[in-house]
Amino acid sequence: QQQVKQSPQSLIVQKGGISIINCAYENTAFDYFPWYQQFPGKGPALLIAIRPDVSEKKEGRFTISFNKSAKQFSLHIMDSQPGDSATYFCAASDEGSQGNLIFGKGTKLSVKP
Amino acid sequence: DSGVTQTPKHLITATGQRVTLRCSPRSGDLSVYWYQQSLDQGLQFLIQYYNGEERAKGNILERFSAQQFPDLHSELNLSSLELGDSALYFCASSKWSTGATTDTQYFGPGTRLTVL
Repeated sequence: QQQVKQSPQSLIVQKGGISIINCAYENTAFDYFPWYQQFPGKGPALLIAIRPDVSEKKEGRFTISFNKSAKQFSLHIMDSQPGDSATYFCAASDEGSQGNLIFGKGTKLSVKP
Repeated sequence: DSGVTQTPKHLITATGQRVTLRCSPRSGDLSVYWYQQSLDQGLQFLIQYYNGEERAKGNILERFSAQQFPDLHSELNLSSLELGDSALYFCASSKWSTGATTDTQYFGPGTRLTVL
């Protein structure tokens, strides 16, 4: 049973464009939603995270939008750059699970110059 | 650099064998998590230790086991290896074990296991 569904599987965006990755979850107990960025040959690195008491969080060019009623959240990358080309994973956890992360399947983003 | 170290970087072995993967958490972090990353299953949580004690288990096979030592480093033991165990194995560490937004998990560079 996949508890966090992520789409699209892959995404190609032109430099300067907006990249949008969506995730949906099932478990209403989830209360922490991080996004991780992974470059080839590297481990995932935390990009930005949100809790369900806010609907949006912005850090530089990266924004998380959160819709609690729809059980969906998304990552927006503004002014996408070739250096943003990586695989992005959404994840979710709840304190009752000791913080163990349930990951989406990942989105491979390619930003074309 | 996340501060989490994993050795070895690559491991090639045969079916039926046993291997040990090692992880050193970031300085000051008490929790260690193990994840398996494969093409078909994505990133899956295996097991978590906090200050030497097992805290949670995920989709970990009975052939796999782990432990966390007094110096907080952790080892993941994989035995009776099968072709399907070929994957990237990541260790992550965090300060506590709360799942709070301030308790970020930092991932190591991973160990790529190839079972032939």
